[in-house]
Amino acid sequence: DGGITQSPKYLFRKEGQNVTLSCEQNLNHDAMYWYRQDPGQGLRLIYYSQIVNDFQKGDIAEGYSVSREKKESFPLTVTSAQKNPTAFYLCASGGQGEAFFGQGTRLTVV
Amino acid sequence: DQQVKQNSPSLSVQEGRISILNCDYTNSMFDYFLWYKKYPAEGPTFLISISSIKDKNEDGRFTVFLNKSAKHLSLHIVPSQPGDSAVYFCAARSAGTYKYIFGTGTRLKVLA
Repeated sequence: DGGITQSPKYLFRKEGQNVTLSCEQNLNHDAMYWYRQDPGQGLRLIYYSQIVNDFQKGDIAEGYSVSREKKESFPLTVTSAQKNPTAFYLCASGGQGEAFFGQGTRLTVV
Repeated sequence: DQQVKQNSPSLSVQEGRISILNCDYTNSMFDYFLWYKKYPAEGPTFLISISSIKDKNEDGRFTVFLNKSAKHLSLHIVPSQPGDSAVYFCAARSAGTYKYIFGTGTRLKVLA
């Protein structure tokens, strides 16, 4: 099945811990993205990558880090420096046309 | 600075009538526009897109209109169905980049 897989769907972490969200795609897309959704705020871009071994900050990159060692994978690390990490995180991939999204990961920090 | 704006947070429409969702943008470098539909706790699904060289694109019940001079696009759903009830996001991409900027969404409720 072609698509984007995010795991896990729900994630709980204690405050102060780093956590890594997984995103894998088998659509052979060059570009991959991480967005965050908060109530009433739409989708805000955290990081994106247009090619392997390269990525750019989005609008809200502070407290996050990413890597793009393989075309298929774009993991996101939420560090302890992120002040409000509890949110719904969405990964996407795209080529020349539209972006396709995964099912999201709900991160709750307690 | 919000480059893509959806000024109506919600919209209610009777089943069978037309739903019109609006989106405004400020960046004249945007050359590709998209609409997505999203249910709670799920990822957005792509609906329809339009390039800046066109002013209309139609796919079944969904039509997107682009007015470049006004920096405005709209999504028309005809006829509206209860299953269309969801949050709709518009998005825009700048020429030569892969960067998509999303609006804040409009929650559509289609009443049976």
